[in-house]
Amino acid sequence: GNSVTQMEGPVTLSEEAFLTINCTYTATGYPSLFWYVQYPGEGLQLLLKATKADDKGSNKGFEATYRKETTSFHLEKGSVQVSDSAVYFCALSASGSARQLTFGSGTQLTVLP
Amino acid sequence: NAGVMQNPRHLVRRRGQEARLRCSPMKGHSHVYWYRQLPEEGLKFMVYLQKENIIDESGMPKERFSAEFPKEGPSILRIQQVVRGDSAAYFCASSLLGQGDRTDTQYFGPGTRLTVL
Repeated sequence: GNSVTQMEGPVTLSEEAFLTINCTYTATGYPSLFWYVQYPGEGLQLLLKATKADDKGSNKGFEATYRKETTSFHLEKGSVQVSDSAVYFCALSASGSARQLTFGSGTQLTVLP
Repeated sequence: NAGVMQNPRHLVRRRGQEARLRCSPMKGHSHVYWYRQLPEEGLKFMVYLQKENIIDESGMPKERFSAEFPKEGPSILRIQQVVRGDSAAYFCASSLLGQGDRTDTQYFGPGTRLTVL
C-alpha cells in the first residue's frame, strides 16, 4: 500500500536557521507529492507540490524536490521565521481510480526569536 | 473566492447522540473528500464523493458513519450514536478535477472539532 514517512518532531530552531524536514514515500506508480502546513487551530493549507520526478515545488521560501530514485520529497527553507512555526505534513496522491491523499504523521516546527 | 467552508467549527455531543458535519466545497469544485485527524496524528482518509455519488469509502468505519453529497447543498458527514473514540478533528477538502488528473489539488476547510462527552 501507499505510505509516507516523515521526520519525527518536534523540531526547534532559532530564527534565520536552515530547515530540513525529511519525507520519504512508498507508492505504486507515479504519485504526486505535497507539503501542507497547519497553523494552530486551523485547517491545512497547501504549501507546495510536485507532480513528476525532478520537479521542484516552491512557495514562501520553502522548496522540495521530487526524487524518484530515493523516493523522497524533503522540505527545505534557508532562513526560517517565527511565523513559520506550525505543523508540516508531507502527503502523496497515488495514481489510480481514487484521489485520496495519504499523509505522514506531521512534524511540529517551533521557531524561536 | 471563498474557500472550503465547514460548519460547525466546534461540536460537542454526548455519547449516543448524532453528529452532523457540513462541508461546502470551493466554488466550481464538484469533488469532496473527508479526512479525520485524531489527536497527535496525521490525517486519515475517510471518503471521496462527487455530486450524488460515493466514489471511494474505503476509509469509512463500517458502522455508524455515512456521507452524502447531494445535487444541491453541502456535503454531510453523519456519525450516529457517537462514542468517545469519535472525538477528533474532521476535515473536508475539495478539488476541481478529481480522479485521473495528476495536477489536481485538494483544498482544505478549517475543520470541525468534535468532542464526545
